[in-house]
Amino acid sequence: EPEVTQTPSHQVTQMGQEVILRCVPISNHLYFYWYRQILGQKVEFLVSFYNNEISEKSEIFDDQFSVERPDGSNFTLKIRSTKLEDSAMYFCASSEGRGRVGTEAFFGQGTRLTVV
Amino acid sequence: DQQVKQNSPSLSVQEGRISILNCDYTNSMFDYFLWYKKYPAEGPTFLISISSIKDKNEDGRFTVFLNKSAKHLSLHIVPSQPGDSAVYFCAASSISNFGNEKLTFGTGTRLTIIP
Repeated sequence: EPEVTQTPSHQVTQMGQEVILRCVPISNHLYFYWYRQILGQKVEFLVSFYNNEISEKSEIFDDQFSVERPDGSNFTLKIRSTKLEDSAMYFCASSEGRGRVGTEAFFGQGTRLTVV
Repeated sequence: DQQVKQNSPSLSVQEGRISILNCDYTNSMFDYFLWYKKYPAEGPTFLISISSIKDKNEDGRFTVFLNKSAKHLSLHIVPSQPGDSAVYFCAASSISNFGNEKLTFGTGTRLTIIP
């Protein structure tokens, strides 16, 4: 069964450093997403990506964040100048889209980011 | 901004009985509602969904009910099995002009099935 894969599973970084979280979405999917879950809180939408550009972003997704699809398979989230409050589980997701309502998003297993 | 709320953080149910998980929402513009299941150290796994124009959708042991007038949905699991023990997230979907579906999640309910 196709799945979304994320690397690394756990990333520890020093405050102020830049991190890149990587994702390989399901190959025939058209929409890609990043969500995050701070410990004890709900899963929050960060950004969606379609046709090589951001289609929607939340207020959390400020200039500190960027996304990229550097090749045909990877989808990355870059966090510049990390802060302690960026510590969270980051989930990548993809969906088939194609305009059909309710095409469910498939999630990766997540990357736990710890900023120290 | 709690557009999707799950008021029960936890629920314990005897194996074989019915589990009922509840979810309330405030935004009447949501197009679709979904339930995701999450085990520790894994990402959310899609379980079942319902269109905002339907009031019931059934898939095996799982049934989702939608009451639009009350802005309430529920997930019924019957019979409950030990493998159902997980955190269940209610999510609401809204479609942007670009066709992407942004999910708004509730805070989750931890379901424990007691053997």
